[in-house]
Amino acid sequence: AQSVAQPEDQVNVAEGNPLTVKCTYSVSGNPYLFWYVQYPNRGLQFLLKYITGDNLVKGSYGFEAEFNKSQTSFHLKKPSALVSDSALYFCAVRDDTGRRALTFGSGTRLQVQP
Amino acid sequence: GAVVSQHPSRVICKSGTSVKIECRSLDFQATTMFWYRQFPKQSLMLMATSNEGSKATYEQGVEKDKFLINHASLTLSTLTVTSAHPEDSSFYICSASGESYEQYFGPGTRLTVT
Repeated sequence: AQSVAQPEDQVNVAEGNPLTVKCTYSVSGNPYLFWYVQYPNRGLQFLLKYITGDNLVKGSYGFEAEFNKSQTSFHLKKPSALVSDSALYFCAVRDDTGRRALTFGSGTRLQVQP
Repeated sequence: GAVVSQHPSRVICKSGTSVKIECRSLDFQATTMFWYRQFPKQSLMLMATSNEGSKATYEQGVEKDKFLINHASLTLSTLTVTSAHPEDSSFYICSASGESYEQYFGPGTRLTVT
């Protein structure tokens, strides 16, 4: 079985400050890891993914994430937050076996204050 | 990038009626489509996985006779909520996957059962 934990329901950060949204995972095989963002009443927008290669992954809108195998983490980061980054963020994982469905974390609401 | 559409985006129906939601991959062939359900302020829960031309695989606890899934072509999957009840009110999101590990999400359908 695979699982994802996002320990923070909400993260508050001031505009211009760096932000981190935490994610840890559990899978039986090699992980494929994803971050998505969701705005109110909208579907999910893809931010970035880790499949293999460099542990630091760069994605859309200035976001990046670092894969840490020993800590089974894939935290989302951005050096300088924008008010427009305020949204709901989901971490997701699947393994590299035949099952292709994603398992999502519970989501973290990011609130960037002006 | 790959685009997935859902129709309708919003639907209100009376208790006891059935509602059909369409999920289309617009510019690629989706061998697998996934249906998720999202309750307010909660994460996405996988309902079922459908492969083109075969029966859908439902997650534990999801009633297959209530949530009918058809994946008759490589670009279209439908979810029919039969005999809808107010507790079926939710945000339904589909995703589509081709030959790669990527999943592309639709914009979601908000179902309200009165």
